Amino acid sequence: AQSVTQLGSHVSVSEGALVLLRCNYSSSVPPYLFWYVQYPNQGLQLLLKYTTGATLVKGINGFEAEFKKSETSFHLTKPSAHMSDAAEYFCAVSGTGGFKTIFGAGTRLFVKA
Amino acid sequence: ETGVTQTPRHLVMGMTNKKSLKCEQHLGHNAMYWYKQSAKKPLELMFVYNFKEQTENNSVPSRFSPECPNSSHLFLHLHTLQPEDSALYLCASSQDFLAGFTYNEQFFGPGTRLTVL
Repeated sequence: AQSVTQLGSHVSVSEGALVLLRCNYSSSVPPYLFWYVQYPNQGLQLLLKYTTGATLVKGINGFEAEFKKSETSFHLTKPSAHMSDAAEYFCAVSGTGGFKTIFGAGTRLFVKA
Repeated sequence: ETGVTQTPRHLVMGMTNKKSLKCEQHLGHNAMYWYKQSAKKPLELMFVYNFKEQTENNSVPSRFSPECPNSSHLFLHLHTLQPEDSALYLCASSQDFLAGFTYNEQFFGPGTRLTVL
Protein backbone atom coordinates (compact mmCIF):
# COMPACT_ATOMS: atom_id res chain seq x y z
CA ALA A 1 0.00 0.00 0.00
CA GLN A 2 1.07 3.56 -0.59
CA SER A 3 0.32 6.86 1.11
CA VAL A 4 1.52 10.45 1.07
CA THR A 5 1.60 13.01 3.86
CA GLN A 6 2.21 16.68 3.19
CA LEU A 7 3.13 18.56 6.33
CA GLY A 8 1.34 21.88 6.51
CA SER A 9 -1.74 22.74 4.51
CA HIS A 10 -0.52 26.34 4.23
CA VAL A 11 2.99 27.75 3.99
CA SER A 12 3.77 31.46 3.83
CA VAL A 13 7.14 32.89 2.80
CA SER A 14 8.44 36.31 1.86
CA GLU A 15 9.51 37.03 -1.68
CA GLY A 16 13.15 36.03 -2.06
CA ALA A 17 13.07 33.60 0.86
CA LEU A 18 13.66 29.87 0.75
CA VAL A 19 10.66 27.70 -0.11
CA LEU A 20 10.45 24.33 1.65
CA LEU A 21 7.39 22.12 1.19
CA ARG A 22 7.49 18.81 3.02
CA CYS A 23 6.36 15.43 1.76
CA ASN A 24 6.68 12.03 3.38
CA TYR A 25 5.55 8.84 1.72
CA SER A 26 4.90 5.22 2.50
CA SER A 27 5.34 2.55 -0.13
CA SER A 28 5.69 -1.23 -0.16
CA VAL A 29 7.53 -1.10 -3.51
CA PRO A 30 10.26 1.22 -4.79
CA PRO A 31 8.42 4.50 -5.15
CA TYR A 32 8.09 6.86 -8.04
CA LEU A 33 7.59 10.34 -6.66
CA PHE A 34 6.13 13.47 -8.18
CA TRP A 35 5.46 17.09 -7.35
CA TYR A 36 2.65 18.85 -9.16
CA VAL A 37 1.62 22.51 -9.00
CA GLN A 38 -1.90 23.87 -9.45
CA TYR A 39 -2.53 27.52 -10.18
CA PRO A 40 -6.01 28.97 -9.64
CA ASN A 41 -8.61 27.70 -12.10
CA GLN A 42 -6.16 25.33 -13.73
CA GLY A 43 -5.34 21.65 -13.66
CA LEU A 44 -2.24 20.12 -12.13
CA GLN A 45 1.09 20.58 -13.87
CA LEU A 46 4.11 18.36 -13.28
CA LEU A 47 7.00 20.19 -11.59
CA LEU A 48 9.41 17.30 -11.28
CA LYS A 49 9.61 13.55 -10.79
CA TYR A 50 11.88 10.92 -9.31
CA THR A 51 11.92 7.44 -10.78
CA THR A 52 15.42 5.98 -10.43
CA GLY A 53 19.00 7.23 -10.40
CA ALA A 54 20.07 10.60 -9.04
CA THR A 55 18.24 11.39 -5.84
CA LEU A 56 18.36 15.16 -6.34
CA VAL A 57 15.85 16.05 -9.01
CA LYS A 58 15.59 19.40 -10.70
CA GLY A 59 12.33 20.62 -12.12
CA ILE A 60 10.80 23.61 -13.79
CA ASN A 61 10.72 27.15 -12.41
CA GLY A 62 13.83 26.62 -10.25
CA PHE A 63 12.32 23.94 -8.02
CA GLU A 64 14.15 20.82 -6.92
CA ALA A 65 13.48 17.88 -4.62
CA GLU A 66 15.61 15.27 -2.97
CA PHE A 67 14.60 11.65 -2.52
CA LYS A 68 15.74 10.41 0.88
CA LYS A 69 14.92 6.74 1.25
CA SER A 70 16.07 6.52 4.87
CA GLU A 71 13.71 9.33 5.80
CA THR A 72 10.95 8.33 3.33
CA SER A 73 10.86 11.95 2.27
CA PHE A 74 10.71 13.94 -0.95
CA HIS A 75 10.73 17.59 0.11
CA LEU A 76 10.40 20.35 -2.47
CA THR A 77 12.66 23.40 -2.30
CA LYS A 78 13.36 26.61 -4.15
CA PRO A 79 16.16 28.95 -3.04
CA SER A 80 14.29 32.19 -3.68
CA ALA A 81 10.51 32.54 -3.81
CA HIS A 82 8.83 34.62 -6.43
CA MET A 83 5.32 36.04 -6.32
CA SER A 84 4.39 33.81 -9.25
CA ASP A 85 5.13 30.72 -7.14
CA ALA A 86 1.94 31.27 -5.15
CA ALA A 87 -0.13 28.17 -5.88
CA GLU A 88 -1.10 24.80 -4.45
CA TYR A 89 1.48 22.04 -4.53
CA PHE A 90 0.77 18.33 -4.49
CA CYS A 91 3.15 15.50 -3.73
CA ALA A 92 2.29 12.12 -5.25
CA VAL A 93 3.59 8.56 -5.14
CA SER A 94 3.25 5.74 -7.61
CA GLY A 95 4.87 2.36 -7.99
CA THR A 96 6.00 -0.23 -10.47
CA GLY A 97 3.35 -1.42 -12.86
CA GLY A 98 0.47 0.38 -11.21
CA PHE A 99 -1.84 3.01 -12.56
CA LYS A 100 -2.98 4.33 -9.23
CA THR A 101 -1.08 7.43 -8.23
CA ILE A 102 -1.74 8.54 -4.65
CA PHE A 103 -1.82 12.30 -4.09
CA GLY A 104 -1.21 14.20 -0.91
CA ALA A 105 -3.75 16.68 0.40
CA GLY A 106 -1.80 19.62 -1.00
CA THR A 107 0.05 22.59 0.45
CA ARG A 108 -0.97 26.08 -0.46
CA LEU A 109 2.02 28.39 -0.81
CA PHE A 110 1.57 32.10 -0.12
CA VAL A 111 4.30 34.55 -1.12
CA LYS A 112 4.41 37.93 0.61
CA ALA A 113 5.86 40.99 -1.03
CA GLU B 1 -5.43 22.07 -29.46
CA THR B 2 -2.60 20.69 -27.37
CA GLY B 3 -2.40 18.71 -24.15
CA VAL B 4 -5.61 17.80 -22.37
CA THR B 5 -8.76 19.83 -22.91
CA GLN B 6 -12.01 19.74 -20.94
CA THR B 7 -15.43 21.13 -21.70
CA PRO B 8 -17.34 22.83 -20.34
CA ARG B 9 -15.11 24.75 -17.94
CA HIS B 10 -18.05 25.63 -15.72
CA LEU B 11 -21.38 23.86 -15.25
CA VAL B 12 -24.34 24.61 -13.02
CA MET B 13 -27.05 21.99 -12.87
CA GLY B 14 -30.06 21.07 -10.85
CA MET B 15 -30.39 17.75 -9.08
CA THR B 16 -32.76 16.39 -11.72
CA ASN B 17 -30.68 17.38 -14.74
CA LYS B 18 -28.58 15.17 -16.95
CA LYS B 19 -25.32 16.55 -18.28
CA SER B 20 -21.99 15.29 -19.59
CA LEU B 21 -18.41 16.37 -19.13
CA LYS B 22 -15.99 15.89 -22.00
CA CYS B 23 -12.25 15.35 -21.99
CA GLU B 24 -9.93 15.08 -24.97
CA GLN B 25 -6.21 14.42 -24.99
CA HIS B 26 -3.88 15.25 -27.88
CA LEU B 27 -0.80 13.49 -26.47
CA GLY B 28 -1.09 10.03 -27.98
CA HIS B 29 -1.69 8.48 -24.57
CA ASN B 30 -3.71 5.36 -23.91
CA ALA B 31 -4.69 5.78 -20.27
CA MET B 32 -7.22 8.34 -19.08
CA TYR B 33 -8.50 9.26 -15.63
CA TRP B 34 -11.28 11.13 -13.90
CA TYR B 35 -10.56 12.82 -10.56
CA LYS B 36 -12.78 14.76 -8.17
CA GLN B 37 -11.21 17.69 -6.34
CA SER B 38 -13.21 19.07 -3.43
CA ALA B 39 -12.18 21.87 -1.12
CA LYS B 40 -9.99 20.72 1.79
CA LYS B 41 -9.91 17.10 0.60
CA PRO B 42 -7.24 15.12 -1.25
CA LEU B 43 -7.65 14.45 -4.92
CA GLU B 44 -10.03 11.51 -5.35
CA LEU B 45 -9.47 9.08 -8.19
CA MET B 46 -12.82 8.11 -9.70
CA PHE B 47 -12.20 6.07 -12.84
CA VAL B 48 -9.27 4.79 -14.90
CA TYR B 49 -9.34 3.63 -18.50
CA ASN B 50 -6.47 1.88 -20.28
CA PHE B 51 -6.86 1.23 -24.01
CA LYS B 52 -10.57 2.10 -23.68
CA GLU B 53 -11.11 -0.55 -21.01
CA GLN B 54 -12.13 0.52 -17.52
CA THR B 55 -9.52 -0.73 -15.09
CA GLU B 56 -10.61 1.08 -11.96
CA ASN B 57 -13.85 2.25 -10.42
CA ASN B 58 -13.15 3.68 -7.01
CA SER B 59 -16.54 2.97 -5.44
CA VAL B 60 -18.09 5.87 -7.30
CA PRO B 61 -21.90 6.26 -7.04
CA SER B 62 -23.84 5.15 -10.08
CA ARG B 63 -25.06 8.68 -10.71
CA PHE B 64 -21.62 9.15 -12.31
CA SER B 65 -21.24 7.13 -15.50
CA PRO B 66 -17.98 7.19 -17.48
CA GLU B 67 -17.58 6.48 -21.16
CA CYS B 68 -14.39 6.05 -23.16
CA PRO B 69 -15.15 5.57 -26.87
CA ASN B 70 -11.48 5.73 -27.88
CA SER B 71 -8.11 6.46 -26.31
CA SER B 72 -8.40 10.19 -27.00
CA HIS B 73 -11.83 10.89 -25.53
CA LEU B 74 -13.35 10.44 -22.12
CA PHE B 75 -16.80 11.44 -20.92
CA LEU B 76 -18.43 11.64 -17.53
CA HIS B 77 -22.21 11.43 -17.69
CA LEU B 78 -24.02 12.97 -14.74
CA HIS B 79 -27.59 12.41 -13.57
CA THR B 80 -29.56 13.09 -10.39
CA LEU B 81 -26.54 14.57 -8.66
CA GLN B 82 -26.46 15.83 -5.09
CA PRO B 83 -25.18 19.18 -3.82
CA GLU B 84 -22.18 17.41 -2.26
CA ASP B 85 -21.10 16.44 -5.78
CA SER B 86 -20.18 20.06 -6.42
CA ALA B 87 -16.43 20.08 -7.08
CA LEU B 88 -13.74 20.51 -9.67
CA TYR B 89 -13.63 17.48 -11.95
CA LEU B 90 -10.23 16.87 -13.46
CA CYS B 91 -9.36 14.67 -16.39
CA ALA B 92 -5.84 13.35 -16.89
CA SER B 93 -4.00 11.10 -19.31
CA SER B 94 -0.77 9.12 -19.25
CA GLN B 95 1.26 6.64 -21.20
CA ASP B 96 -0.03 3.10 -20.93
CA PHE B 97 1.81 0.37 -19.08
CA LEU B 98 2.34 -1.71 -22.19
CA ALA B 99 4.51 1.02 -23.72
CA GLY B 100 7.18 0.11 -21.20
CA PHE B 101 6.61 2.95 -18.82
CA THR B 102 6.17 1.59 -15.35
CA TYR B 103 5.31 4.89 -13.78
CA ASN B 104 2.39 7.03 -14.74
CA GLU B 105 3.30 10.66 -15.10
CA GLN B 106 -0.10 12.21 -15.64
CA PHE B 107 -1.05 15.23 -17.69
CA PHE B 108 -4.07 17.13 -16.46
CA GLY B 109 -6.75 19.19 -18.10
CA PRO B 110 -7.94 22.50 -16.60
CA GLY B 111 -10.99 20.91 -15.04
CA THR B 112 -14.74 21.48 -15.04
CA ARG B 113 -16.09 23.44 -12.07
CA LEU B 114 -19.43 21.76 -11.30
CA THR B 115 -22.07 23.31 -9.09
CA VAL B 116 -25.15 21.27 -8.18
CA LEU B 117 -28.08 23.31 -6.92
